Amino acid sequence: QVHLVESGGGVVQPGGSLRLSCAASGFTFSRDDMHWVRQVPGKGLEWVALIRYDGSNEFYADSVKGRFTVSRDNSKNTLYLQMNSLRAEDTAVYYCATKGDVVLPTAIYTKFDYWGQGALVTVSS
Amino acid sequence: SSELTQDPAVSVALGQTVRITCQADNLRTYYASWYQQKPGQAPVLVIYGKNNRPSGIPDRFSGSTSGNTASLTITGAQAEDEAAYYCNSRDYSGNHWVFGGGTKVTVL
Repeated sequence: QVHLVESGGGVVQPGGSLRLSCAASGFTFSRDDMHWVRQVPGKGLEWVALIRYDGSNEFYADSVKGRFTVSRDNSKNTLYLQMNSLRAEDTAVYYCATKGDVVLPTAIYTKFDYWGQGALVTVSS
Repeated sequence: SSELTQDPAVSVALGQTVRITCQADNLRTYYASWYQQKPGQAPVLVIYGKNNRPSGIPDRFSGSTSGNTASLTITGAQAEDEAAYYCNSRDYSGNHWVFGGGTKVTVL
């Protein structure tokens, strides 16, 4: 059974930093690309970042590029999100999720198979 | 970057059928997936690809794509289907993922 548990959320001042962790179990973590997705309370979902299964590549939403860094430790089955220069608009619940895209000859089925329960990050003075 | 457009809200009578749509420019290449989210809970994948349901998702949920519009249909809506539903796909670069704004489904 796949289990993803985020931790590290909390209250931080604008301009501050925070690191989120996502502990994974129940699947072969080192074989799966992983996403971070966030959600402002009461609002919609926003994709944040993706890291390839071996850490070889990372992709970021424009809203966080240059401030956030996604990384992973496959020996610990753990995904991270380092968030620097935080702004009020970064206040959100942050979810980690597995990437389970199906690649076909002429199309790609995108999907986020499993999600953690989320970690709340509040940026406020 | 691409955008995915959803209607903000829709209502359906108990036991009736409701269709939620998601418009985007590149659904022929990157098929949309659909997520159900209830208050205080994480999203759950309900449909992906042409019309694929993960294990455990009731068969009253189905999906389709026509041109630049992806649809999620709930046939015989139940009270427990009341939730927000989000579509997702990739943008043209293939390296960014985008969510629709979400559709709040109310079961009357």
